Amino acid sequence: GQQVMQIPQYQHVQEGEDFTTYCNSSTTLSNIQWYKQRPGGHPVFLIQLVKSGEVKKQKRLTFQFGEAKKNSSLHITATQTTDVGTYFCAGRGAGGTSYGKLTFGQGTILTVHP
Amino acid sequence: DAGVTQSPTHLIKTRGQQVTLRCSPKSGHDTVSWYQQALGQGPQFIFQYYEEEERQRGNFPDRFSGHQFPNYSSELNVNALLLGDSALYLCASSTGTGVTDTQYFGPGTRLTVL
Repeated sequence: GQQVMQIPQYQHVQEGEDFTTYCNSSTTLSNIQWYKQRPGGHPVFLIQLVKSGEVKKQKRLTFQFGEAKKNSSLHITATQTTDVGTYFCAGRGAGGTSYGKLTFGQGTILTVHP
Repeated sequence: DAGVTQSPTHLIKTRGQQVTLRCSPKSGHDTVSWYQQALGQGPQFIFQYYEEEERQRGNFPDRFSGHQFPNYSSELNVNALLLGDSALYLCASSTGTGVTDTQYFGPGTRLTVL
């Protein structure tokens, strides 16, 4: 079945440093979504990427979708303590038995030291 | 505009028992998906309901079943509980074709099986 791998598992940064998490799928995706989950909370939708090579920005966050639609990244510029949480990518299968199903990566836990 | 609501918030059961979790989707949403999130892991897709029918299913045994009501609310039933069923159960609602829809997660139900 479809697998989505996310690295790194943990990232500790000083406030003001940049942060990047990477997501790789075993199969081609129709789209990819990114979520943020605060400690003790539930996943909150951040963005969806649909087109090959797509790049979207939300203030200090930059999201990219690979040309082959199998990988994606989230980059945060100048992290703040409010960025703390777990960031998940979730890929939606493009075909076969994975079609339409959303598969989450394991997440990257971000801690920011003030 | 109420978001996704779930009940109960927490639940403690013993092995072999049965449990029913409930979800009310965000206003205007007609599709409900259920996920299981074990500690330190990403959410895993259980199944999705649309128009009162199971539209898609993940790799979960038949002990996991569900239902959607005419008002779009949904239930998740788990029979013959195992210790490994202890997890956060998340409900997500959406509207659309199911391929590009944005999902809104509820706060989850924390199930502990003793």
